[in-house]
Amino acid sequence: DARVTQTPRHKVTEMGQEVTMRCQPILGHNTVFWYRQTMMQGLELLAYFRNRAPLDDSGMPKDRFSAEMPDATLATLKIQPSEPRDSAVYFCASGLVLGGTTEAFFGQGTRLTVV
Amino acid sequence: AQSVTQLGSHVSVSEGALVLLRCNYSSSVPPYLFWYVQYPNQGLQLLLKYTSAATLVKGINGFEAEFKKSETSFHLTKPSAHMSDAAEYFCAVSRGGSNYKLTFGKGTLLTVNP
Repeated sequence: DARVTQTPRHKVTEMGQEVTMRCQPILGHNTVFWYRQTMMQGLELLAYFRNRAPLDDSGMPKDRFSAEMPDATLATLKIQPSEPRDSAVYFCASGLVLGGTTEAFFGQGTRLTVV
Repeated sequence: AQSVTQLGSHVSVSEGALVLLRCNYSSSVPPYLFWYVQYPNQGLQLLLKYTSAATLVKGINGFEAEFKKSETSFHLTKPSAHMSDAAEYFCAVSRGGSNYKLTFGKGTLLTVNP
């Protein structure tokens, strides 16, 4: 049963610490998304990649957030330094896009709490 | 630019009643449209999608949605609500093409009363 895997599921950290969230997309998918979900803002697209190359990261605060795909099986989202306002659920999703469109398959999310 | 507006952040229905969740879209090109469901502490799961084929789209769990270009709408319906349908529902739009980008609405929380 193919699924997107995110680790860790929960993370509590102190303000100022570095946080790294990891995502294993579904094998064969060529597009990876990072979303952030909060009560106030809903689902916000932070960044997305096609064939490991960043296509759009305009939703990400550049001074503290970074997203990478070291290889096709791993996507990372890093926050350094973390702040209490970064507390949210971070979702990774993957999909196979071949000129048209397709649905995105979501992971279970990483619930981040910054104290 | 593309966007979706979900009318009603919270909808409450009785078990067995019709479910109607509203979504209007804005897109400069023919859109691809999606409905997702999110159960507590879970990720989002695709219910159904419209990709310019049939305007009436059937999805999982008895849900369906109708694409109406003249009304720029893609409302989600289910004839008879079950308790297990209680969840948050998200409408999403994409333009498709090489710069595929999925934009979500704010979500509608569905409550089903016994």
